[in-house]
Order: sequence, then structure tokens, then C-alpha cells
Amino acid sequence: GQQLNQSPQSMFIQEGEDVSMNCTSSSIFNTWLWYKQEPGEGPVLLIALYKAGELTSNGRLTAQFGITRKDSFLNISASIPSDVGIYFCAGQLVGNTPLVFGKGTRLSVIA
Amino acid sequence: NAGVTQTPKFQVLKTGQSMTLQCAQDMNHEYMSWYRQDPGMGLRLIHYSVGAGITDQGEVPNGYNVSRSTTEDFPLRLLSAAPSQTSVYFCASSPTQGSSGNTIYFGEGSWLTVV
Repeated sequence: GQQLNQSPQSMFIQEGEDVSMNCTSSSIFNTWLWYKQEPGEGPVLLIALYKAGELTSNGRLTAQFGITRKDSFLNISASIPSDVGIYFCAGQLVGNTPLVFGKGTRLSVIA
Repeated sequence: NAGVTQTPKFQVLKTGQSMTLQCAQDMNHEYMSWYRQDPGMGLRLIHYSVGAGITDQGEVPNGYNVSRSTTEDFPLRLLSAAPSQTSVYFCASSPTQGSSGNTIYFGEGSWLTVV
């Protein structure tokens, strides 16, 4: 099936640092979504992107839909301890198809 | 996690036993789906439904059955549980499968262990 390559797999950062993660695909997507999952809970939507080149912010989070429609990145500025969790990208291929998820980036923040 | 309810939260099964994971949503969403989450694998689609009476297979359907007799409910059945089905299962729903502006709401997960 379709795959999204999400990197890095894990990150250990100091509180206050900025974070960047990305997803790439060999296929064109018409929607990119970024989710956060905290321990013992389901994924929660952070940002949704619907147009190539779109740049969207949600507080300290910023995500972009790549121009080629084959990639997306998520930045977190000035990280805080509550940013800890697993971040997933998800994409939807052109057409009426289910979402495809990346394998996640596990973020740890050291106070 | 607005409106998607999964039960049970935790379950331990013996190999060969059967069980059903329940999922219900009260948002009148047409599209519902089941994912499993394993360490290092992300979320993988098991089965999905685009409306009552319609189901289809996802990426990893083997060993699982689903039905969609109503818009609200989408149960996932394990007919003969295997240790390889030890995982965390998430149910999700959305207004439609493919419309622009689509967002998916996830349940809180069901932790299943097969011994």
C-alpha cells in the first residue's frame, strides 16, 4: 500500500528549542493532516492542509503543504514539556481514498 | 475526542477466542474506520465503511470482520484471536471519506492483548 516516510523517528530536545519534522511520499496528496497522540489516548488533529504551498499555524505549531504535493513539514517553536508525544502525519491521495499515516515522530522534551 | 466511543478500553484474550470491539459515533458521520497501532508502525487501516451497509478492506484486514448495519455503529470482530493481533485499536469517523475539509475524529483506543 501507499507509504509516507516520516522523519525523524524520535527526537530529544531541550525545553525552549524549536522542532522540525517532515513527511514525504512518492505519490501526490490532496490533503495533509498532522496529529498528536499522548500516552493512552487517540490521535488529535493539530493542523489540516488542503492546498499546495499552504502554510498554516496553530499557536506555536506551523505546518506547510509542499509545492510538489508530495511532502509536508511541521514546526514547533519554543518547545515546552507538554509538547511530549507522538506526532503523525497523514495524507489523502488524489481522489476518494482513505488516509495514509506516517509511522510517527516521538518527541521528548527535557526541562 | 468528540463523539466517538470505543469499548472496551482494555481486553485480554486467549488465543482462539472471539470478541467484538464496539465503536459508536453520534455525529451522523457517513465514514467510519478501524486502525491498529503497533510500535514503530504508525496507524494501519484494517477496514472502513463509507455508509450504512457498505464496508471495504484496508491495508491489514486479515483476521478481522466488520459490519455497518446503522450509521452510528461500526463493530470490529476478531473471530479467532491470535497473538499477532495484540495491538491498540482505534475507531475513527468523519463526515465523508474524501471531501475537502475532511477531518477524522478518533476514539480513545482499545488495548487488546492476546495470550
